[in-house]
Amino acid sequence: GNSVTQMEGPVTLSEEAFLTINCTYTATGYPSLFWYVQYPGEGLQLLLKATKADDKGSNKGFEATYRKETTSFHLEKGSVQVSDSAVYFCALRRDSGNTPLVFGKGTRLSVIA
Amino acid sequence: GAVVSQHPSRVICKSGTSVKIECRSLDFQATTMFWYRQFPKQSLMLMATSNEGSKATYEQGVEKDKFLINHASLTLSTLTVTSAHPEDSSFYICSASGGAQETQYFGPGTRLLVL
Repeated sequence: GNSVTQMEGPVTLSEEAFLTINCTYTATGYPSLFWYVQYPGEGLQLLLKATKADDKGSNKGFEATYRKETTSFHLEKGSVQVSDSAVYFCALRRDSGNTPLVFGKGTRLSVIA
Repeated sequence: GAVVSQHPSRVICKSGTSVKIECRSLDFQATTMFWYRQFPKQSLMLMATSNEGSKATYEQGVEKDKFLINHASLTLSTLTVTSAHPEDSSFYICSASGGAQETQYFGPGTRLLVL
């Protein structure tokens, strides 16, 4: 079946540090891949996505590249800010927007000043 | 982006009572809504998929008679937890999709505590 594995947190970084959150997936076919972010007290928000191999999704300084050969979609940011503190979820989806997402367990990021 | 609301945001109830959670798409028509459940420090687990005007499709292991889902309009889906018990305490999250759109928009979640 389809599944997503992401690194366990919590991850604590100092402001301006480099961030990597690993995500690998198992799926048949060619899923779309997503990173969602959940800020404290809020719902999940789409951070970025990639729909085919070698695509790079980017938003707010975050990037992730769809690597089919390694079945990975690692999230990176060159310089984190305190405001990036949140829980990050990697997810995949087969087919269209009417199919559900399969989520990883989430990684909590805390950025300290 | 599109907005999805959930109501209530938090509810505490006695064991044996029923609780209804509403999920609304505020600025688009949601042909499909999904209901997820999230336990502490766990991932979101899909409970059911709801298409407007038809019966919901439940995931294996989810009791359809306990978790009643109604998707009567293109902007509203409801989840009713019937005869709630303490083990039903969880964080319930809905998401909505406008059909062909790639993006699903999530509600802020409802925290249910059953005493």
